[in-house]
Amino acid sequence: GENVEQHPSTLSVQEGDSAVIKCTYSDSASNYFPWYKQELGKRPQLIIDIRSNVGEKKDQRIAVTLNKTAKHFSLHITETQPEDSAVYFCAAIANAGGTSYGKLTFGQGTILTVHP
Amino acid sequence: IAGITQAPTSQILAAGRRMTLRCTQDMRHNAMYWYRQDLGLGLRLIHYSNTAGTTGKGEVPDGYSVSRANTDDFPLTLASAVPSQTSVYFCASSDSSGGARETQYFGPGTRLLVL
Repeated sequence: GENVEQHPSTLSVQEGDSAVIKCTYSDSASNYFPWYKQELGKRPQLIIDIRSNVGEKKDQRIAVTLNKTAKHFSLHITETQPEDSAVYFCAAIANAGGTSYGKLTFGQGTILTVHP
Repeated sequence: IAGITQAPTSQILAAGRRMTLRCTQDMRHNAMYWYRQDLGLGLRLIHYSNTAGTTGKGEVPDGYSVSRANTDDFPLTLASAVPSQTSVYFCASSDSSGGARETQYFGPGTRLLVL
């Protein structure tokens, strides 16, 4: 089955700096890659996603890049703010739209701390 | 519109007891999922249901059962709780009717402590 590795496990940055979180996946058939943000004691919430037919996607200060050949994808947050502090999870799914749709495999999470 | 709700919010349970975690969504999503979240391990899929009347096993199904009698409800049952089932449990749902079928929306979670 799919295996998703996420790095780093913790990340500390100063306000205004950029933050990058990287994930690798094992199943070359994976074709959908969402990123979730989870604040302390809250539910995971989707912040951005990318499909395998696109190499990059951007939404304001957040961007995701995908390298299918190397089987890795990354989350980029620019101009970080204290409210960006949270745990971030990457995930991958193989055969999205097929019989195994919905069965996301999550990375282990990255604790991001943005210092004012 | 409430979205997706879970009950109870938290529970302390004696080992060996039976417990059902409730999950209800009002978004008419076809697919629903149960995950457990443990520190350092992220979210792991327990069971899922692609549509009412069908269920499937996820990554860590042992000790858990589910049912999907209708579109809205997806209860998770621990037949005989053990301390290793202490975790935060999240229910999620997704809409299979369009191109964004993979986007999953999570409930607020149930914190379960088994003693």
